[in-house]
Amino acid sequence: KQEVTQIPAALSVPEGENLVLNCSFTDSAIYNLQWFRQDPGKGLTSLLLIQSSQREQTSGRLNASLDKSSGRSTLYIAASQPGDSATYLCAGYSFAGNKLTFGGGTRVLVKP
Amino acid sequence: GAGVSQTPSNKVTEKGKYVELRCDPISGHTALYWYRQSLGQGPEFLIYFQGTGAADDSGLPNDRFFAVRPEGSVSTLKIQRTERGDSAVYLCASSLRTLPNSYGYTFGSGTRLTVV
Repeated sequence: KQEVTQIPAALSVPEGENLVLNCSFTDSAIYNLQWFRQDPGKGLTSLLLIQSSQREQTSGRLNASLDKSSGRSTLYIAASQPGDSATYLCAGYSFAGNKLTFGGGTRVLVKP
Repeated sequence: GAGVSQTPSNKVTEKGKYVELRCDPISGHTALYWYRQSLGQGPEFLIYFQGTGAADDSGLPNDRFFAVRPEGSVSTLKIQRTERGDSAVYLCASSLRTLPNSYGYTFGSGTRLTVV
């Protein structure tokens, strides 16, 4: 059974600092991993999708890496802005479960 | 539509009542998923449909919960005899297909259910 963990649960940084968000998963037979952003009271917005054959994906200031052997994914957000304040969730898709399994999320606050 | 639509966005109901939550997926997406998210936690899987059939309902907490997708498009999550512990945000997602999930999931904005 896939288990996904995100540490820390909350993070506060000053504006301009780079953000590093960690995600670990137990089942290395992962097909892909997806990062989402969730604003308070809102649904999930997909940020990046990394296939198991890929090592990383980039979109603007966002870069996500995937290391299946160590069971880890990292989301980097460069030059953080107050608008980046949100909860970031990672989710792994495994063949065994045929569904996304989510971590608990990291709540990010970027202070002006 | 352009995205996954969920209605209502908010629902307040009394304990013991019956509720229905609706999800309208992206046109052409054959896979549809329901998740439940409690405050401060990540979403937890409830059920997914491939076409009209429920391919995996292992996440439904008990027999008060039921979901249908009769025509392979819109889905309804039904909760009988609601309890205060059912209060959560219910999220729906759709995907072009389940296996392989090369395209990722697109989520709706959710229905916030409050049982008083």
